[in-house]
Amino acid sequence: DAGVIQSPRHEVTEMGQEVTLRCKPISGHDYLFWYRQTMMRGLELLIYFNNNVPIDDSGMPEDRFSAKMPNASFSTLKIQPSEPRDSAVYFCASSFGQDSQPQHFGDGTRLSIL
Amino acid sequence: EDQVTQSPEALRLQEGESSSLNCSYTVSGLRGLFWYRQDPGKGPEFLFTLYSAGEEKEKERLKATLTKKESFLHITAPKPEDSATYLCAVEGSSNTGKLIFGQGTTLQVKP
Repeated sequence: DAGVIQSPRHEVTEMGQEVTLRCKPISGHDYLFWYRQTMMRGLELLIYFNNNVPIDDSGMPEDRFSAKMPNASFSTLKIQPSEPRDSAVYFCASSFGQDSQPQHFGDGTRLSIL
Repeated sequence: EDQVTQSPEALRLQEGESSSLNCSYTVSGLRGLFWYRQDPGKGPEFLFTLYSAGEEKEKERLKATLTKKESFLHITAPKPEDSATYLCAVEGSSNTGKLIFGQGTTLQVKP
């Protein structure tokens, strides 16, 4: 079975540009999560969706960050405008159901803002 | 506030030298404690979920245990392919659906 698919795997862009990260969750999973990983702060939850509806976006650092899930098989995380401090690895994860089910992660997008 | 602290930050073992990784947690109403393995350039890979104190889970050379304050990941007779960063995460009743991750323990097993 295909796992969580993220694209692009690497992104290098200049400060001020718009960045869009993409995620395809595992088919049948009804929860989708966006995380950011840095050396200093580790793995942090940014936002998560249930049945395509945003449930908790309290981890989104600023209004420059936005996330959408237009259907069950696709989600985007957008940064506009981007800043050097946004450089990190961004992960998408998905899970099925409640009751503390494990989350399954994609291989991430390594983002570098120059 | 839910918190997770992992120790040590880094661990070097010789092949075959057994050891344990620690995950101490503070959470209001534990719903689940999760162990993940992360290889360089990859996303975290799910290993175990533990739900209540006294529970144990095993997979090959790995065994996870849980008490009311901490969890241990025991590695028996490790091999070089066990080298990775091991992450612990908790879900509490006040943050349903959200995982709080520790900083991880980076394990290196030398042949």
